[in-house]
Amino acid sequence: GAVVSQHPSWVICKSGTSVKIECRSLDFQATTMFWYRQFPKQSLMLMATSNEGSKATYEQGVEKDKFLINHASLTLSTLTVTSAHPEDSSFYICSAQQTGAGNTIYFGEGSWLTVV
Amino acid sequence: DAKTTQPPSMDCAEGRAANLPCNHSTISGNEYVYWYRQIHSQGPQYIIHGLKNNETNEMASLIITEDRKSSTLILPHATLRDTAVYYCIVRVNRAGGATNKLIFGTGTLLAVQP
Repeated sequence: GAVVSQHPSWVICKSGTSVKIECRSLDFQATTMFWYRQFPKQSLMLMATSNEGSKATYEQGVEKDKFLINHASLTLSTLTVTSAHPEDSSFYICSAQQTGAGNTIYFGEGSWLTVV
Repeated sequence: DAKTTQPPSMDCAEGRAANLPCNHSTISGNEYVYWYRQIHSQGPQYIIHGLKNNETNEMASLIITEDRKSSTLILPHATLRDTAVYYCIVRVNRAGGATNKLIFGTGTLLAVQP
């Protein structure tokens, strides 16, 4: 299958700081990417849909000013957690849709964020 | 909310076939059935998808009932590395747009026993 890569794999940051997570589609172009978060022993929760060159669409209850999403190219989307708090600590996972070839969505490896 | 229901857990003996059921009684005519799995602390892995015909690839087989209200994922010879949470998801298959999104339910934890 197609490859989606996230960076960093894990990050520790201090409360009040911002942290950026990158999501790249390595061998295909993705006009649409998705961001999820997952708490321990829970399922994935969709946060937002990111479309290249336009504003992201956020799910109900997700603060767009806190979770900034930028999808400036067909292979890169970024999620910035602003003014992070300990409750933002979670596993963040991105996915990218391979246009054509079945429009299948492939996932990155995930990024662990710990806010201290 | 997820539009599928799956048993929370299943066991399977190593080397035997694992049959994972999924109910999607409200599936629409233009929605496909997708299967992903998530091994602990990793991103979900795509397995297979289908619309109405049975599908097979190198990982698994997907059997969809004629009325499309349920399906079964079959891992023909389960190994210990197949232990994971398996998610069945229905989704419109088209390029672009928020309606394309994958909404995850709670999935089935498949434990392959030695």
